[in-house]
Amino acid sequence: EDKVVQSPLSLVVHEGDTVTLNCSYEVTNFRSLLWYKQEKKAPTFLFMLTSSGIEKKSGRLSSILDKKELFSILNITATQTGDSAIYLCAGQTGANNLFFGTGTRLTVIP
Amino acid sequence: GAGVSQSPSNKVTEKGKDVELRCDPISGHTALYWYRQRLGQGLEFLIYFQGNSAPDKSGLPSDRFSAERTGESVSTLTIQRTQQEDSAVYLCASSLTGLYGYTFGSGTRLTVV
Repeated sequence: EDKVVQSPLSLVVHEGDTVTLNCSYEVTNFRSLLWYKQEKKAPTFLFMLTSSGIEKKSGRLSSILDKKELFSILNITATQTGDSAIYLCAGQTGANNLFFGTGTRLTVIP
Repeated sequence: GAGVSQSPSNKVTEKGKDVELRCDPISGHTALYWYRQRLGQGLEFLIYFQGNSAPDKSGLPSDRFSAERTGESVSTLTIQRTQQEDSAVYLCASSLTGLYGYTFGSGTRLTVV
């Protein structure tokens, strides 16, 4: 059974802190791991990871995949209140389906 | 279009009525997905279209749920005899081939009263 587990479920930090969000996955014929940020209704795309050990970076956000341990992390440095959102991780199967974790709710306090 | 468009954005319906939700994917995107997100929960996969065929309908929760897609364009998700547990945000996403990043619509918030 395809499964994506994220931790922690929620996180409260102060502006300027660095956070690490975790995602473990078991998906059929794994193709890629995707991270999304969901602030209102629709998730917005952050990263797509297909290769182990190669960090992807966008501003203060970065992510890396470990295909041996079936794990990915999303790092956010120097957090800002605008980073408050639910961060979703999804595993893409060989059949091109996406299975999502339940997300990590990040709250950044000024 | 420039993005994935869903309509209506909000729908309130009485229990037992049928509803139809619409998704217009990005032009040229062959892959289209429907997800459901209940309050406080994660995204639940419903169905995936590649072109107008549906290789994976495994996520449809019951036979009250059905979906169609016209060519590589509009898709409709129909829920018959709605129940209160159908209340959720229904999200549609499209992708160029299913191999790359997915773009989500802004969703339809369905409330069954």
